[in-house]
Amino acid sequence: SQQGEEDPQALSIQEGENATMNCSYKTSINNLQWYRQNSGRGLVHLILIRSNEREKHSGRLRVTLDTSKKSSSLLITASRAADTASYFCATDSSSGSARQLTFGSGTQLTVLP
Amino acid sequence: DTAVSQTPKYLVTQMGNDKSIKCEQNLGHDTMYWYKQDSKKFLKIMFSYNNKELIINETVPNRFSPKSPDKAHLNLHINSLELGDSAVYFCASSQHAGGFQETQYFGPGTRLLVL
Repeated sequence: SQQGEEDPQALSIQEGENATMNCSYKTSINNLQWYRQNSGRGLVHLILIRSNEREKHSGRLRVTLDTSKKSSSLLITASRAADTASYFCATDSSSGSARQLTFGSGTQLTVLP
Repeated sequence: DTAVSQTPKYLVTQMGNDKSIKCEQNLGHDTMYWYKQDSKKFLKIMFSYNNKELIINETVPNRFSPKSPDKAHLNLHINSLELGDSAVYFCASSQHAGGFQETQYFGPGTRLLVL
């Protein structure tokens, strides 16, 4: 079953604005990861936040995690046209040796120049 | 150099045919995966292999058979293709199966269209 669900499904902003995407999930997790997918390409890992972390930064990216609400957000500051892509959250709820990420259906971000 | 590569990039075929998609990773990773991404961009895991051994096999029709000749390769063979198999198939790899905080590295995808 689908674990992570992103919100909104689509987001369109002007270059320079901030973009916020949210992810909700259902079961307890080991970590939550955000990936980006440019049109026609594979997914690229952006950032991982562990279940005992509340906030993490990487360049213009800021991720928060609220395990009590089972939600995460990805903030992209000072957006650029090159940030246009689909963004997916993926939850790791695995136990044992079988690592498994469960992906949502993504947020399509369009940054207008 | 491409870390995770897939061939072919595009695959158009008739219903009922058998086809294979190849995946190779040069990262020295132990674990490889196959995902299916549907038209709504929902990405679902199909298989996971660790050191050539199957460790995850989601509910996938047995027309799909993964084969791992060595830990750098995980190929996907599909028999008797159906219209519903049309999707983008992604191969991915990660360093270890048992460690936490594992990120996955994805290939560019194979766009399969069954007519």
